[in-house]
Amino acid sequence: AQTVTQSQPEMSVQEAETVTLSCTYDTSENNYYLFWYKQPPSRQMILVIRQEAYKQQNATENRFSVNFQKAAKSFSLKISDSQLGDTAMYFCAFMKGDDKIIFGKGTRLHILP
Amino acid sequence: AAGVIQSPRHLIKEKRETATLKCYPIPRHDTVYWYQQGPGQDPQFLISFYEKMQSDKGSIPDRFSAQQFSDYHSELNMSSLELGDSALYFCASSLAVGPGYGYTFGSGTRLTVV
Repeated sequence: AQTVTQSQPEMSVQEAETVTLSCTYDTSENNYYLFWYKQPPSRQMILVIRQEAYKQQNATENRFSVNFQKAAKSFSLKISDSQLGDTAMYFCAFMKGDDKIIFGKGTRLHILP
Repeated sequence: AAGVIQSPRHLIKEKRETATLKCYPIPRHDTVYWYQQGPGQDPQFLISFYEKMQSDKGSIPDRFSAQQFSDYHSELNMSSLELGDSALYFCASSLAVGPGYGYTFGSGTRLTVV
């Protein structure tokens, strides 16, 4: 069974700083997808960024980028120029094929003014 | 753009009562997923439907049942409610041909059992 591990339950950084959230996963699959979801205090689940395992190039979405290390089964999220609105719970997630998404336990990120 | 619509947003029920949660997926999305998120927890997969047929089942109690209707909306029926059923229930939808794009989640239904 696939598992997703987020080793940082909570983090705090100053506004405008760069922060990296860690995620590791375990799978025997070769074709899969990885995601980072953001859940702000409103509790809405928002897709931040996605990565296809067969693509070596790291995904980037504006201030959000990932460091995907397939051999190490690592998928970290980097947030540059952090903003107060980035304060949220961040979930790393895994999906193989057209199967269900499996979430990590989450990292609560606080952006401090 | 149309999003996933869940109703109601909030629901308060007493123990042993029944609750029905509704989900309206994004138009043309053929797959619906239900997740349960307890306080301070990660979302846990309950059940999914593809083209009105159950496609996968997770840690869903026998007291819960769900179905997807001909218009693709889905309902999660919860009976004999327990205090531990208090949680945020998410519905998400996707296109089976493009699952790698991730799901689109609704805003959730917050169920409180008292």
